[in-house]
Amino acid sequence: EAEVAQSPRYKITEKSQAVAFWCDPISGHATLYWYRQILGQGPELLVQFQDESVVDDSQLPKDRFSAERLKGVDSTLKIQPAELGDSAMYLCASSLAQRTDTQYFGPGTRLTVL
Amino acid sequence: TQLLEQSPQFLSIQEGENLTVYCNSSSVFSSLQWYRQEPGEGPVLLVTVVTGGEVKKLKRLTFQFGDARKDSSLHITAAQPGDTGLYLCAGAWDTGRRALTFGSGTRLQVQP
Repeated sequence: EAEVAQSPRYKITEKSQAVAFWCDPISGHATLYWYRQILGQGPELLVQFQDESVVDDSQLPKDRFSAERLKGVDSTLKIQPAELGDSAMYLCASSLAQRTDTQYFGPGTRLTVL
Repeated sequence: TQLLEQSPQFLSIQEGENLTVYCNSSSVFSSLQWYRQEPGEGPVLLVTVVTGGEVKKLKRLTFQFGDARKDSSLHITAAQPGDTGLYLCAGAWDTGRRALTFGSGTRLQVQP
């Protein structure tokens, strides 16, 4: 069964350092999402892509976060510089099309900022 | 801002008991999904409901979508320790934005 791949699974960094997360969606899925999940809460959307275009990045802290999906397939989420409050699970999800609600999630990257 | 409220936040029960988890919003959903998440893992989709009044069953899990499409419930019959986890409801609204808005989850612990 096709799955969403994410790496790394765990990342520990010091504040002010740069970190990057990678996501490979299910093959053929045009829509890709990055969510952040703080411990004890539900995931919150950071950015949504349709193919290579950003559809919604209204909740992305653009002073330190950036996301790209250059060829409309895999995606990278970057944080520079990392802050203590960025410690969270970063989840990637994909769906067939923008108007398809069913999203499939990857295993996530657990980020700890010291 | 469209909000999803889940209740209860925490639930600890004995194996064999029944339970119900609720998900409510003041807005009408275009669809609603239930996920289960284990520690350190991503959410795994359990079900998607679309039609008001819809009832779906997945083994011992029964999902119901309210007639007005503003609320949903998840009922587990004869809970087992393997049901332990975080249950999340997530809704999409008719705004054209297809990303999901998640509730804060119900953490279920089933004691053997």
